[in-house]
Amino acid sequence: DTEVTQTPKHLVMGMTNKKSLKCEQHMGHRAMYWYKQKAKKPPELMFVYSYEKLSINESVPSRFSPECPNSSLLNLHLHALQPEDSALYLCASSQSGAGANVLTFGAGSRLTVL
Amino acid sequence: AQSVTQLGSHVSVSEGALVLLRCNYSSSVPPYLFWYVQYPNQGLQLLLKYTSAATLVKGINGFEAEFKKSETSFHLTKPSAHMSDAAEYFCAVDNAGNMLTFGGGTRLMVKP
Repeated sequence: DTEVTQTPKHLVMGMTNKKSLKCEQHMGHRAMYWYKQKAKKPPELMFVYSYEKLSINESVPSRFSPECPNSSLLNLHLHALQPEDSALYLCASSQSGAGANVLTFGAGSRLTVL
Repeated sequence: AQSVTQLGSHVSVSEGALVLLRCNYSSSVPPYLFWYVQYPNQGLQLLLKYTSAATLVKGINGFEAEFKKSETSFHLTKPSAHMSDAAEYFCAVDNAGNMLTFGGGTRLMVKP
């Protein structure tokens, strides 16, 4: 299995809702990432988990809350989002944090905040 | 932190023509460099990577890139464009082992 699976593919939520994005990989990778991608822009790093511990938080607002329940799963909990948070959220994984990190990306979850 | 700059947000070529997508890096030490491709409504897929083993790197789908330290460049080329190559291409640099920083992207359009 060489895939990163993200669910849901599309999500529409109001500003008062609570929702979660999910990401799963079974490649034995020990680093997992969340990226945010606005239309016609490059992906921007949000969080990095290394060996199930949060190692990087790129000053992301607290309305985004990551969680790594185990080495195969990564969640992004969403609460009280703003319309400007609408974007494609990409999950990725890599073998470890050392050396040339080749990231394997999921297809993304497209989020629309009304 | 290291960064990459992609020259040209849009590149248009005819089918069968040479593809050249430009990427320049800023780094005081040899970086790890990557090219990723993103098709519409999809995630990113690795095309190739440079890890200092060889300056000419061959990737998937007939793409290759050459690392030129004197020019701080890592341009992506393909001898003959196919319609299926139309996509967004991102150059990226590995910062501190756990952070991939992307260039602004280049949209490749292929005309029949």
